[in-house]
Amino acid sequence: IAGITQAPTSQILAAGRRMTLRCTQDMRHNAMYWYRQDLGLGLRLIHYSNTAGTTGKGEVPDGYSVSRANTDDFPLTLASAVPSQTSVYFCASSEEGAAGELFFGEGSRLTVL
Amino acid sequence: GQNIDQPTEMTATEGAIVQINCTYQTSGFNGLFWYQQHAGEAPTFLSYNVLDGLEEKGRFSSFLSRSKGYSYLLLKELQMKDSASYLCAAMDSNYQLIWGAGTKLIIKP
Repeated sequence: IAGITQAPTSQILAAGRRMTLRCTQDMRHNAMYWYRQDLGLGLRLIHYSNTAGTTGKGEVPDGYSVSRANTDDFPLTLASAVPSQTSVYFCASSEEGAAGELFFGEGSRLTVL
Repeated sequence: GQNIDQPTEMTATEGAIVQINCTYQTSGFNGLFWYQQHAGEAPTFLSYNVLDGLEEKGRFSSFLSRSKGYSYLLLKELQMKDSASYLCAAMDSNYQLIWGAGTKLIIKP
């Protein structure tokens, strides 16, 4: 049972480059989320999707975009990476649209130089 | 504004009991979550409280007081594997989770 799979697990990226973090779930959950986690701060929601075909902005959406073409996949794209986007990114899903118990992927550690 | 406060770090002894406190201020309230996160790993769900009182689940218990905007996570019979960060999160009226920065729990033999 895979749950949520994120790729890559770690990446070093030059500023200005485009980067897509992949997230796939096999639990058939309707809702999916992208968070970033930075030292000393709580998890911050970047974007979310309550169901396939819909997306919404979270607390820190600037510089990021998402798409939800189907139930399983929820990629996060950084159009032009900046050093402040250095972080650990977690994809999560929940069975209910109202952010019930969240299931997290293992995280993608991104360093922007 | 919306805010979650929890201690940055706590130390406890193997076999002992520790209580991790969390206070919250949110626009509306739809429940309080606790997650455990081992270093370098993903957070995993521990508990959810929406009514006042204590919820017990094995060695872990979680308490909520809505009138005080306060919750705690109680860990009994501490084991070395309990060394982790514990994240408190409150759900506001829009069903958005507001996360605390986490409490790093260090267990000593």
